[in-house]
Amino acid sequence: QKEVEQDPGPLSVPEGAIVSLNCTYSNSAFQYFMWYRQYSRKGPELLMYTYSSGNKEDGRFTAQVDKSSKYISLFIRDSQPSDSATYLCAMSNQGGKLIFGQGTELSVKP
Amino acid sequence: GAVVSQHPSWVICKSGTSVKIECRSLDFQATTMFWYRQFPKQSLMLMATSNEGSKATYEQGVEKDKFLINHASLTLSTLTVTSAHPEDSSFYICSARPITQETQYFGPGTRLLVL
Repeated sequence: QKEVEQDPGPLSVPEGAIVSLNCTYSNSAFQYFMWYRQYSRKGPELLMYTYSSGNKEDGRFTAQVDKSSKYISLFIRDSQPSDSATYLCAMSNQGGKLIFGQGTELSVKP
Repeated sequence: GAVVSQHPSWVICKSGTSVKIECRSLDFQATTMFWYRQFPKQSLMLMATSNEGSKATYEQGVEKDKFLINHASLTLSTLTVTSAHPEDSSFYICSARPITQETQYFGPGTRLLVL
């Protein structure tokens, strides 16, 4: 069993839809949770960074962490074609290396 | 803020030559930098962790004599692929972790093609 599980998709939605991306994990020591967006042939770009459980909102993006269920989510509101990319969840404990999910490929159709 | 640069962005070389890739944190200091490799349609694979002023820690299966890492300052790390072969062709990405944070900021990546 992988430490971090993420549905690879692909996920296709119409423009304006709400997108929900999820990851589950098995290591209860993880404290830091991140979502990255990666366009083709580019390095990952940090979208959201949260510590421990709770919600964090930044513009159209909301990240949720539920440590009791070992489950994290990223919601994208009013999705745009420019949101089409691969989304990677990542997590770590203090001082540790990042453990990534497999990435979800998202396509937002005009 | 939190910008990481990589140079070169792409390189083509002949088999047997060595290639050096630079990774710089432009607006923050990073005691720890990381080097990843990524194959098409796959997630990032950590190759090594480098700490400023000390030897890099390599992941299992990564040849340290082939992938030389130097972390000379708080803003610069280099990866040298020695005696490159076609199987080393890949997308190499570095990241840097700011001193006061647990997250990592990634560079734009370097595409290496060995002929």
